[in-house]
Amino acid sequence: DSGVTQTPKHLITATGQRVTLRCSPRSGDLSVYWYQQSLDQGLQFLIQYYNGEERAKGNILERFSAQQFPDLHSELNLSSLELGDSALYFCASSLLAGGLFDEQFFGPGTRLTVL
Amino acid sequence: AQSVTQLDSHVSVSEGTPVLLRCNYSSSYSPSLFWYVQHPNKGLQLLLKYTSAATLVKGINGFEAEFKKSETSFHLTKPSAHMSDAAEYFCVGGGSQGNLIFGKGTKLSVKP
Repeated sequence: DSGVTQTPKHLITATGQRVTLRCSPRSGDLSVYWYQQSLDQGLQFLIQYYNGEERAKGNILERFSAQQFPDLHSELNLSSLELGDSALYFCASSLLAGGLFDEQFFGPGTRLTVL
Repeated sequence: AQSVTQLDSHVSVSEGTPVLLRCNYSSSYSPSLFWYVQHPNKGLQLLLKYTSAATLVKGINGFEAEFKKSETSFHLTKPSAHMSDAAEYFCVGGGSQGNLIFGKGTKLSVKP
């Protein structure tokens, strides 16, 4: 158990809908990262928040947004969902702002299915 | 920009035989490299990381990887496979923004 929790574990929804994925980092970690794992794209970095502020952005679509709250939990909002958004979404957390010596710990993921 | 290439999408070995999972990297600067493992329906777990302190890196569960600059490789090895090693393994590079850049993954099967 990494100490990172994600809810829900599974989510099934329809095209055009909006969903929110939630992540609670390990106690004391200031950074939260979001990753998407799909069959065709593999594992891709979406976005990082550090102590409430957006720090780095990867291949995140404009339909997707995230935020980190004062208690450091994070939410990933996915809107106008398309079939291709079906994927496993991972959250990771680290103690600091990132880098070689700042190990990322991964949550179990949320599996999103868009029908 | 840094990228990693895993040379095999699937590797099958017999229990008790050596494991070799291959990874090449490209980087315009000194690389940060990691190996992660993902067991079925589980999250990702860090196996080991290259910190430039030593070229041979020892990880958990008997795995190790050797950083070879001349070959731009960071292959993962284990002397003797166990059934519990069956999983997907990712070679990962550290991005310039502190994020992780994942290879496509190698699925390891272990036959009894």
